[in-house]
Amino acid sequence: DQQVKQNSPSLSVQEGRISILNCDYTNSMFDYFLWYKKYPAEGPTFLISISSIKDKNEDGRFTVFLNKSAKHLSLHIVPSQPGDSAVYFCATRGFNAGGTSYGKLTFGQGTILTVHP
Amino acid sequence: EAQVTQNPRYLITVTGKKLTVTCSQNMNHEYMSWYRQDPGLGLRQIYYSMNVEVTDKGDVPEGYKVSRKEKRNFPLILESPSPNQTSLYFCASSIIIGAREQYFGPGTRLTVT
Repeated sequence: DQQVKQNSPSLSVQEGRISILNCDYTNSMFDYFLWYKKYPAEGPTFLISISSIKDKNEDGRFTVFLNKSAKHLSLHIVPSQPGDSAVYFCATRGFNAGGTSYGKLTFGQGTILTVHP
Repeated sequence: EAQVTQNPRYLITVTGKKLTVTCSQNMNHEYMSWYRQDPGLGLRQIYYSMNVEVTDKGDVPEGYKVSRKEKRNFPLILESPSPNQTSLYFCASSIIIGAREQYFGPGTRLTVT
């Protein structure tokens, strides 16, 4: 049972426009939400994260939004650039019932972003 | 240069022939992990290690073994590979378990015929 779901396998955007990548999760035992980016023939690299106690985190062109009531996470890229074309994975970091983080990262299926010049 | 290396990058083998995929990191990280990436399933954790001689199962451990005899190395062993283990494999490391930033190797494309 997939606890982290990215329902859009792919997204195509024009250069300069906004890219919005979405992610849904099915329980609340997470303390951090993360995005990783993967280029072909390379391993994923960490992009940005957000704590579960926040609803927004911004880093340059990348902003992550967290809607806890909807159990939904999104990544906004503004403006999109051709070099942003990659696979984007959302991930959650789990914690146990005692409230201390056990640190397991659970990844979604990934969304292929293509930014056209 | 800080990095995670994996070898081989590509491997085609036959059912039942034992193989090992090596993973090495030069960052003195305590935590290491193996993932497999399959279409529509994303990255799934196979095994992880919190330190030397400490390993545990991830979400999809069946058919795999690991060992952590040295801090820098974390090999993945397939004793009797089967076609359903055809996948893209990634090794990752982080300074401790739970670190938000994991460093991934470049991947090993395995095909079992």
